[in-house]
Amino acid sequence: DVVMTQTPVSLSVAIGQPASISCKSSQSLVGTSGKTYLNWLLQRPGQSPKRLIYLVSKLDSGIPDRFSGSGSETDFTLKISRVEADDLGVYYCLQGTHFPFTFGSGTKLEIK
Amino acid sequence: EVQLVESGGGLVQPGASLKLSCVASGFTFSDYWMSWVRQTPGKTMEWIGDIKYDGSYTNYAPSLKNRFTISRDNAKSTLYLQMSNVRSEDTATYYCTRGGWFAYWGQGTLVTVSS
Repeated sequence: DVVMTQTPVSLSVAIGQPASISCKSSQSLVGTSGKTYLNWLLQRPGQSPKRLIYLVSKLDSGIPDRFSGSGSETDFTLKISRVEADDLGVYYCLQGTHFPFTFGSGTKLEIK
Repeated sequence: EVQLVESGGGLVQPGASLKLSCVASGFTFSDYWMSWVRQTPGKTMEWIGDIKYDGSYTNYAPSLKNRFTISRDNAKSTLYLQMSNVRSEDTATYYCTRGGWFAYWGQGTLVTVSS
């Protein structure tokens, strides 16, 4: 199975400050189609996960452009340019290239 | 609006069987692969498996394929997860999601395995 190593485990960020989460995979996530099926999800307290970003850097509809995704092959990053109160929760990376699909262990974002 | 509503969870004894359901609406169910994902009390996420739009093919996480079976009824727009010989480590919230793109999730149904 592809191991997704996500760091940090938690981070505390003041409103208006940037945040960055790293996700590293144990093998390349480039699929046979040439696409890289790396997603970022946010699970707010008491809610189901919600996809924010797919194919490394594509924002889902309604997701503010404060969020951005980048990376390639085995090294990926989610950045929030200016954290807002609504951003708190647990962020997960998820690879959909290799079966079985696998998740990172999550990063808990707290507001300082 | 895409909606996924899971049901069937509850308290179940070790070794028992349980069948979860996920009713879909807001899209043409028979056009999409569907997946099951679970989240443990410790918040670990695990992909269980998926099923092709016509039900003819399934993929499973190797650690679960001997005990879990995914099926669907396109006439009822319903996805199923049959769990057998459940163990305490199967205690989790179970989510259905649309396809392998994970853009849509249900609210989840909690399964607790305990004697």
